[in-house]
Amino acid sequence: AQKVTQAQTEISVVEKEDVTLDCVYETRDTTYYLFWYKQPPSGELVFLIRRNSFDEQNEISGRYSWNFQKSTSSFNFTITASQVVDSAVYFCALSRDNYGQNFVFGPGTRLSVLP
Amino acid sequence: GAGVSQTPSNKVTEKGKYVELRCDPISGHTALYWYRQSLGQGPEFLIYFQGTGAADDSGLPNDRFFAVRPEGSVSTLKIQRTERGDSAVYLCASSLRAWDTDTQYFGPGTRLTVL
Repeated sequence: AQKVTQAQTEISVVEKEDVTLDCVYETRDTTYYLFWYKQPPSGELVFLIRRNSFDEQNEISGRYSWNFQKSTSSFNFTITASQVVDSAVYFCALSRDNYGQNFVFGPGTRLSVLP
Repeated sequence: GAGVSQTPSNKVTEKGKYVELRCDPISGHTALYWYRQSLGQGPEFLIYFQGTGAADDSGLPNDRFFAVRPEGSVSTLKIQRTERGDSAVYLCASSLRAWDTDTQYFGPGTRLTVL
């Protein structure tokens, strides 16, 4: 069975602080995909990144960076110099072969960035 | 509009009633997905369509739930004999091709409350 754990339910930081959102996953598959999504107060889920299990290179996109470590089954997300607009619920997700019921979301971490 | 739209935005109904939730995907997107998001949890996959056909309906919780997409565009999620446990936000998403997360966009959701 596949499972995604996001141990941090809520995080509050002050603007310009760096913040890391943790994601730990469980799967028996050798091929899988990991994702991060942002859900702002408006409700739409916004796709941020997809990473496949064979690519452990860290990724940086502007103020966002992701650290994928297969040895610890973790796919953590760091926001550098956070801004108020980063306030949202962030979901980590896991998929086997990019399909349907095998697309499992974690419970989410609510990030509040205070001015 | 350019994005995925869902109507109604809010629906309040009584236990035992029938409801229909509508999703208008982005024009030209062949794949359409329904998810259910309970309070404080990540989205849970329900069903996905490729064109007019349900390619994977394994996430539908029971036979009270049904979805159609008769012309390969608009989709309707139908719930019969609603129960209080059906209360959730129902999210719709569409993508150019099946499970193409790079082109997958989510709608704002329909918040269903069953009294």
